[in-house]
This record gives sequence, C-alpha cells and structure tokens, in this order.
Amino acid sequence: TQLLEQSPQFLSIQEGENLTVYCNSSSVFSSLQWYRQEPGEGPVLLVTVVTGGEVKKLKRLTFQFGDARKDSSLHITAAQTGDTGLYLCAGGSGNNRKLIWGLGTSLAVNP
Amino acid sequence: DTEVTQTPKHLVMGMTNKKSLKCEQHMGHRAMYWYKQKAKKPPELMFVYSYEKLSINESVPSRFSPECPNSSLLNLHLHALQPEDSALYLCASSQPTYYGYTFGSGTRLTVV
Repeated sequence: TQLLEQSPQFLSIQEGENLTVYCNSSSVFSSLQWYRQEPGEGPVLLVTVVTGGEVKKLKRLTFQFGDARKDSSLHITAAQTGDTGLYLCAGGSGNNRKLIWGLGTSLAVNP
Repeated sequence: DTEVTQTPKHLVMGMTNKKSLKCEQHMGHRAMYWYKQKAKKPPELMFVYSYEKLSINESVPSRFSPECPNSSLLNLHLHALQPEDSALYLCASSQPTYYGYTFGSGTRLTVV
C-alpha cells in the first residue's frame, strides 16, 4: 500500500518567517502535486513535479522533488497572512487517475 | 474557460430525499472525478470517469450513483443518504497527459 507522510500537520508562524513542509514515502511516484485549500473551497493546484531532483519556484514558494522521486518539499520564504490555508501533497503513479494524498499541513500565518 | 463549476454550493437533504450534484467543465479534460472530503482531512476518491466511462469505483455505497452524460458534465445522484455522508463533495477534472487536477469549489452537503 502506498503512503505519503506529510509533516508537520499543523504550523503557526509569524508573518515574515520561513517554513518548510515535507512529504515522504517509501514508494516511487511518477508525479508529485502540491495543492492549497481554503475553508469551504476546493484544492487549488500549485505545482506538479515529475523529474527526480526537479526544483520549481512560484514567487515565494519553492518546490523540490527528491532525486529518487519518493519525497518532496515545499518551502515558503517570508510568509504572508495570505499564505494561510491547508497544504496538501498528492503522489501519482501510472496514469495518475488515483492519487495518494498526504494528510495535509494546516498553516496559519499570523500578522 | 479554466474552471470546474459545481452546483449547488450548499445542499441540505433528508434521509429519504433524492437529489443530484452537478459538475461542468469546458477545458476539454477527458478524466473527471468525484471526491468526498471531511473537515481537516484530505479528499477521498469516490469515482473516476475516463473518456465518459466509469473506470474507478472506490467501493462506494450504492446510495451514491455517478453519471457522465458527456465529456463536459458529471453528475452524482444521491438517494437515502445517512447523516455520516455529510461532507464537502468535490468534482475535479484533468487532461489525460497532464499531471494535475482542476477542482471545483465543492458542494457542502448536510444530511438531516
């Protein structure tokens, strides 16, 4: 059974701080997707990484896929209150029709 | 159009009611999904349609019945639900060759 362990589960920081969220597995994934979800809304895709060692940047967010394609990280620089939300990682394999989801990281950025 | 539209946004139904959730996308995506999400949990896959055919049913109770009338529309028919079925129901779509889903904003379902 494929599992994706996401940590930390909860994170409360002050505006301007940096943070990193991790997703780890013993399984190899063909893709790793990161989503952000706000209360009462659907998840919004932030990025998809598919190549081992790949690094993608989205403004203050940096995403990395491990060399072995078993783990990924999301780093936020100088967090802002608008970054508050639930961050979810999801791993795909095969035709990606059935994603394996992490349990999520609930991030609160305080002013 | 880069959106997945779900209606209604909120739904309250009794345990003997029959209702339907609707989902529409015009991005040309050929895979569409129904997910169920409880508070502070990740989405749980229910059904996958690929090229308008049901390809995955995650052992969902028969009181949930999916339908894909065409490549742009996805319905979820609900009948004789239980209070524990109360949740956020999410529709998503994706391209066959692209890794990443576009989610709708969901239907908040309450069963009373």
